[in-house]
Amino acid sequence: RKEVEQDPGPFNVPEGATVAFNCTYSNSASQSFFWYRQDCRKEPKLLMSVYSSGNEDGRFTAQLNRASQYISLLIRDSKLSDSATYLCVVNIRITGGGNKLTFGTGTQLKVEL
Amino acid sequence: DADVTQTPRNRITKTGKRIMLECSQTKGHDRMYWYRQDPGLGLRLIYYSFDVKDINKGEISDGYSVSRQAQAKFSLSLESAIPNQTALYFCATSDFRQGSTDTQYFGPGTRLTVL
Repeated sequence: RKEVEQDPGPFNVPEGATVAFNCTYSNSASQSFFWYRQDCRKEPKLLMSVYSSGNEDGRFTAQLNRASQYISLLIRDSKLSDSATYLCVVNIRITGGGNKLTFGTGTQLKVEL
Repeated sequence: DADVTQTPRNRITKTGKRIMLECSQTKGHDRMYWYRQDPGLGLRLIYYSFDVKDINKGEISDGYSVSRQAQAKFSLSLESAIPNQTALYFCATSDFRQGSTDTQYFGPGTRLTVL
């Protein structure tokens, strides 16, 4: 079983739609969680952290369910510019005070006119 | 100017050749990382370094070596390149002092093809 699993998509949605992605993780010791965005052939960039109480940043809402070990990302009022691959990322503390980021393979979103 | 730079951006080489990928950062971060990305496999950690005197293997270090020449520079070497090392390679940095989130910032990537 992969440590972080995502539906690869693609999710094809019309502009203005609401779309949600889920991600599950296998390590219950995971401590922090993120969504990164990656445009085609570009580097990943942090979209938002995911907090236990849920958090919102404009049109983006992230939720964490520790009991079920899943993370979600909701995008409202989709824009063409939201087209990208969204990476679910889980952070586990390791010996020595560092951390290990484990990346999901990403969910591809295509927003269409 | 970009905070994390990688050179070269693209490289085509032949099996058995030695290749070095370089990463430089102006963010002043202590921590640096090398990842590779393959279709369907996501990003996988090759090596990481928490400071100049610290080097650690990641999950796929076989066939690779690294050098942390300075706080700002972290190089990845393929001593004898093989075709299954064809991938997109990313360098990243992070600053643990900023808090527990330890956000990573990625360079633009190096596309390596081994023939």
